[in-house]
Amino acid sequence: EAGVAQSPRYKIIEKRQSVAFWCNPISGHATLYWYQQILGQGPKLLIQFQNNGVVDDSQLPKDRFSAERLKGVDSTLKIQPAKLEDSAVYLCASSLGGQGPLSTDTQYFGPGTRLTVL
Amino acid sequence: AQSVTQPDIHITVSEGASLELRCNYSYGATPYLFWYVQSPGQGLQLLLKYFSGDTLVQGIKGFEAEFKRSQSSFNLRKPSVHWSDAAEYFCAVGVGAGKSTFGDGTTLTVKP
Repeated sequence: EAGVAQSPRYKIIEKRQSVAFWCNPISGHATLYWYQQILGQGPKLLIQFQNNGVVDDSQLPKDRFSAERLKGVDSTLKIQPAKLEDSAVYLCASSLGGQGPLSTDTQYFGPGTRLTVL
Repeated sequence: AQSVTQPDIHITVSEGASLELRCNYSYGATPYLFWYVQSPGQGLQLLLKYFSGDTLVQGIKGFEAEFKRSQSSFNLRKPSVHWSDAAEYFCAVGVGAGKSTFGDGTTLTVKP
């Protein structure tokens, strides 16, 4: 079974530029998550999708970050414009989903995209 | 609000020695608890999880963890560490619908 795919693996940009990350979840997984992992910290949830709808985006900096999951499969996360503090690894994860708020689904993580903002 | 504390930023053990990584959590209800491992350049891999029932949970790669409600802890253990276990380990609390709050991780170094 193929895992969660992410691209690119690495990206270097200058501040105020824009950048986009792509995620392809495990086939059949309804729930998709984007996490931000700053060096030395644990992952922090940015946004959670159930199929193509947003379940939770309370920690997404909406003035510069956006995400979409068209057709309930692939997802893109965009940053526009980027700031120095956005340097981090962006992790995508997926789970089967569909069990409601008390879901005990296992999350499967992709390898991440390491973003460096200069 | 839920939170997870991993008190040890970095731990070094000798190969073959036993290992215990500490995790303390704060959560208002019965927690869902997880341990993940992250090797350099890799995504997080689930080692084990606790939802209910037996408080001693067995995971992959010879790891186990014990849930202690009275101490709000979920410590990870392995009786004999292998060099390949060197990685970063994250404890997490499940907060519903599968999403999790993570600790800041413990980096494990294994000495030959």
